[in-house]
Amino acid sequence: SQQGEEDPQALSIQEGENATMNCSYKTSINNLQWYRQNSGRGLVHLILIRSNEREKHSGRLRVTLDTSKKSSSLLITASRAADTASYFCATGALGGSQGNLIFGKGTKLSVKP
Amino acid sequence: DVKVTQSSRYLVKRTGEKVFLECVQDMDHENMFWYRQDPGLGLRLIYFSYDVKMKEKGDIPEGYSVSREKKERFSLILESASTNQTSMYLCASSFSGELFFGEGSRLTVL
Repeated sequence: SQQGEEDPQALSIQEGENATMNCSYKTSINNLQWYRQNSGRGLVHLILIRSNEREKHSGRLRVTLDTSKKSSSLLITASRAADTASYFCATGALGGSQGNLIFGKGTKLSVKP
Repeated sequence: DVKVTQSSRYLVKRTGEKVFLECVQDMDHENMFWYRQDPGLGLRLIYFSYDVKMKEKGDIPEGYSVSREKKERFSLILESASTNQTSMYLCASSFSGELFFGEGSRLTVL
């Protein structure tokens, strides 16, 4: 069953702008992860935030987690054309098995040069 | 770097054929997973395994089976392929919660 729901489904911005994607989920989680997928390729792990964390940074990525609202956001600052990809959130359920994640349907990001 | 290798990037099979999708990881991860990805449906878990010879059903196991004879190898088997199994299949491995994916196998069943 799908738990994470990303919003928006598609996002088109100009190079240099910031991109914000949101994810909502339904049940209690152990962690939330963001992945990136280039067209026709496998997914690549970007960042993991645990349920007791509120914010995490990695390079140009900033992830926030609000467990009271069951939501997360991924911010990509100063976007580049190479950031064009689909972005997925995935949740690890509280008490669930390691690595057994539920993925959302993704946000398709297009960054125009 | 962790490497997850899927044996075939593209396959075309006929209805009723037996199909094997192979996945090998080189990081001694205990956990391995098979997902399928379809437009509008996202990633759905087919089967996963936490140890050799061990398997657990995911959300959509019908029409599939798996084999894990060695720790590094996790195979997905379509006993009798059907057109509704045309999809992108993604294998992943994990040790501490983060998934490492292969490049995917795009299967077309005619």
